[in-house]
Amino acid sequence: QKEVEQDPGPLSVPEGAIVSLNCTYSNSAFQYFMWYRQYSRKGPELLMYTYSSGNKEDGRFTAQVDKSSKYISLFIRDSQPSDSATYLCAMSAWSSASKIIFGSGTRLSIRP
Amino acid sequence: GAVVSQHPSRVICKSGTSVKIECRSLDFQATTMFWYRQFPKQSLMLMATSNEGSKATYEQGVEKDKFLINHASLTLSTLTVTSAHPEDSSFYICSARDQTLAGGSTDTQYFGPGTRLTVL
Repeated sequence: QKEVEQDPGPLSVPEGAIVSLNCTYSNSAFQYFMWYRQYSRKGPELLMYTYSSGNKEDGRFTAQVDKSSKYISLFIRDSQPSDSATYLCAMSAWSSASKIIFGSGTRLSIRP
Repeated sequence: GAVVSQHPSRVICKSGTSVKIECRSLDFQATTMFWYRQFPKQSLMLMATSNEGSKATYEQGVEKDKFLINHASLTLSTLTVTSAHPEDSSFYICSARDQTLAGGSTDTQYFGPGTRLTVL
């Protein structure tokens, strides 16, 4: 069993829709949870970073962490074609700057 | 935000040759840098952790004699793929740890744009 599971997609939604991306994990030691966005042939870009359980909002993006269920989510409101990318969840036991375990990534396409 | 660069962005080489990839933190000092490898449609896999002035720590299954890492300064780490073979063809990405608090930056990793290696 992988430490972090993420549905690879692809996921295609119309512009303006709400997007829900999810990951599950098995290691209860994880405390830091990140979401990265990666465009084709580019390095990952940090979108959201949360510590422990709860919600965090940043503009059109909301990250949720449920440690009791070992489940994290990223919601994108009012999705735009420019949001089309691969979204990677990532987590760490020590800090967001220490050893990170990545999910496999979900390919998202926003249709105009 | 903090900027990390990689050079070259793309390299094609013949089997058996060695290739060096540079990773630089442009506007901050990084005592720790990380090297990842990403195969098509797969996630990033950590290869090694590079600490300035000391030996790199390699992940299980990564050959340290094949993937030589040198972190000679607080802004530069290099990855050398020695005697490259076609199976080493991949997207290599580095990240640098920014531990400074100035300017509101947090202790987090910033990723470079990646280097695509093709071994013929």
